[in-house]
Amino acid sequence: EAGVAQSPRYKIIEKRQSVAFWCNPISGHATLYWYQQILGQGPKLLIQFQNNGVVDDSQLPKDRFSAERLKGVDSTLKIQPAKLEDSAVYLCASSPGRDTGRKTQYFGPGTRLLVL
Amino acid sequence: SQQGEEDPQALSIQEGENATMNCSYKTSINNLQWYRQNSGRGLVHLILIRSNEREKHSGRLRVTLDTSKKSSSLLITASRAADTASYFCATDAGGNTPLVFGKGTRLSVIA
Repeated sequence: EAGVAQSPRYKIIEKRQSVAFWCNPISGHATLYWYQQILGQGPKLLIQFQNNGVVDDSQLPKDRFSAERLKGVDSTLKIQPAKLEDSAVYLCASSPGRDTGRKTQYFGPGTRLLVL
Repeated sequence: SQQGEEDPQALSIQEGENATMNCSYKTSINNLQWYRQNSGRGLVHLILIRSNEREKHSGRLRVTLDTSKKSSSLLITASRAADTASYFCATDAGGNTPLVFGKGTRLSVIA
């Protein structure tokens, strides 16, 4: 079974530029998550999709971050414009069903973003 | 704010020794999970323990949960150099509530 795929693995941009990350979850997984992990901290949920609908985006800075999951499969996360404090690893995860409490989350390798 | 807080922040042991990491949380939970993250990689699920369970084993891993103290511990027995990683606890309150991760414990196993 193929795991969660993410690209790019690394990205360096200057502040005020735009950047986009792509995620392909495990086949058949209905739920997709984007996390932000700042160095030395645990992952923080940015947005959760159930199929192609948003379940939770309460911690997504909507003035600069956007995400979509077209056709309930792949997802993209965009930052526009980027700030220095957006430097972090962006992790995508998927799980088979709605109830996160009973379903293990499977993580991709992450995209390491550096904003200069 | 993050729910779980791991203790210690960092731990260094010799190969073959046991490693114990603790997690404390603030509010009632439905489940608690432990994840491992190797440097520069994504997280890997290790074990899930439900709120009505007290202990669970998986290979060299042993997890305990004390809901009265709102704490959990992860024990890795006979550690190996390959166990070097960061370990995170993650809690949820059931239903559609999100997983909330702690800051993690960085474990170094010296060969």
